[in-house]
Amino acid sequence: DAGVIQSPRHEVTEMGQEVTLRCKPISGHNSLFWYRQTMMRGLELLIYFNNNVPIDDSGMPEDRFSAKMPNASFSTLKIQPSEPRDSAVYFCASSLQGAVNTEAFFGQGTRLTVV
Amino acid sequence: QKEVEQNSGPLSVPEGAIASLNCTYSDRGSQSFFWYRQYSGKSPELIMFIYSNGDKEDGRFTAQLNKASQYVSLLIRDSQPSDSATYLCAVVSGGGADGLTFGKGTHLIIQP
Repeated sequence: DAGVIQSPRHEVTEMGQEVTLRCKPISGHNSLFWYRQTMMRGLELLIYFNNNVPIDDSGMPEDRFSAKMPNASFSTLKIQPSEPRDSAVYFCASSLQGAVNTEAFFGQGTRLTVV
Repeated sequence: QKEVEQNSGPLSVPEGAIASLNCTYSDRGSQSFFWYRQYSGKSPELIMFIYSNGDKEDGRFTAQLNKASQYVSLLIRDSQPSDSATYLCAVVSGGGADGLTFGKGTHLIIQP
């Protein structure tokens, strides 16, 4: 398996624009997580899905953020409108839920810069 | 609010010595504990997990868990310059139904 695949790897956009980040989890994994990483706040869990259903979105900072998982092999994280404080590295991770050793495998991340 | 605390460092250790990384967590319901390593500009990668009290060894790495004290640690023996990275402690509550909650990480520097 190619692992968790994220696109784009880098995104530079102007404030106010819509940004869509994409993720393809590892085949067979039934949990998917979106994380945001900054120097100040570290890795923060934004939202996670089990079997394509959003379980906890309490980490989503504002209504400008939304996430979808239309099927088991694809998820998006959308920011609309984007703001400079959204600049961060966004990671997608997937795992097989239910096991005690629930290792999450991370994608390479999307580095977002909002100017 | 689940919290995972780590000393941000940097922690500087001479090559060949033992590096000791520590982590405390607030949620007594936490059941699984993970150590991830993250090189600069890269994604986190799993080093070890532990879910029973005591020690777990894997090569040069030993994870230690004390649930009564809500404390987990990672020891790296015979430290190598390639071990220089940020080490992230993460916990999961329940049976994996929640996402990993991460600490902010400890920056480890192995001095040749």
